[in-house]
Amino acid sequence: GQQLNQSPQSMFIQEGEDVSMNCTSSSIFNTWLWYKQDPGEGPVLLIALYKAGELTSNGRLTAQFGITRKDSFLNISASIPSDVGIYFCAGPIQGAQKLVFGQGTRLTINP
Amino acid sequence: GAVVSQHPSWVICKSGTSVKIECRSLDFQATTMFWYRQFPKQSLMLMATSNEGSKATYEQGVEKDKFLINHASLTLSTLTVTSAHPEDSSFYICSARTGQQETQYFGPGTRLLVL
Repeated sequence: GQQLNQSPQSMFIQEGEDVSMNCTSSSIFNTWLWYKQDPGEGPVLLIALYKAGELTSNGRLTAQFGITRKDSFLNISASIPSDVGIYFCAGPIQGAQKLVFGQGTRLTINP
Repeated sequence: GAVVSQHPSWVICKSGTSVKIECRSLDFQATTMFWYRQFPKQSLMLMATSNEGSKATYEQGVEKDKFLINHASLTLSTLTVTSAHPEDSSFYICSARTGQQETQYFGPGTRLLVL
């Protein structure tokens, strides 16, 4: 079945550093979604990508839809303490209404 | 826009009792709602998909008689955990989408603790 492999699983960085994480699959996806989940909360949509090669920004966040349709990247520039959390990539399963999620990247920031 | 609420945000109950969790889309019509379960430090695990006015579709391994889902209106879905046991303790999250849109919007989650 369609699966998403997200890396790295965790990141420990200093405040102010840039962050980069990615999501890959052996299957083609037509949509890539990036969510952030704070402790004890539900995931919040950060960026949605609908077209191969698309590069979309949301403030300090930038995400790209890989040209092969099998990967996506999320970058965070100049990290701040509130960026701490778990970041999930997700994509729709073909022929179904549901999403498949990556395992998540846990971001920790040292002040 | 695209706000989803859940109630309650946390609940503690005794083993053997039933617990109902509500999921509401506040500013859009949710033709499809989803219920997830999340264990600590793990990703989201889909339990079931429900379309308004239809029976829910459960994922493999999820007991439909234990986790009753009702999606009676375009803005409300409920998950009832029947005869709850300690192993049902978890973080339950709903999401909603409208039409054929693939993007799901999540509620804040409900933490259930069964004693």
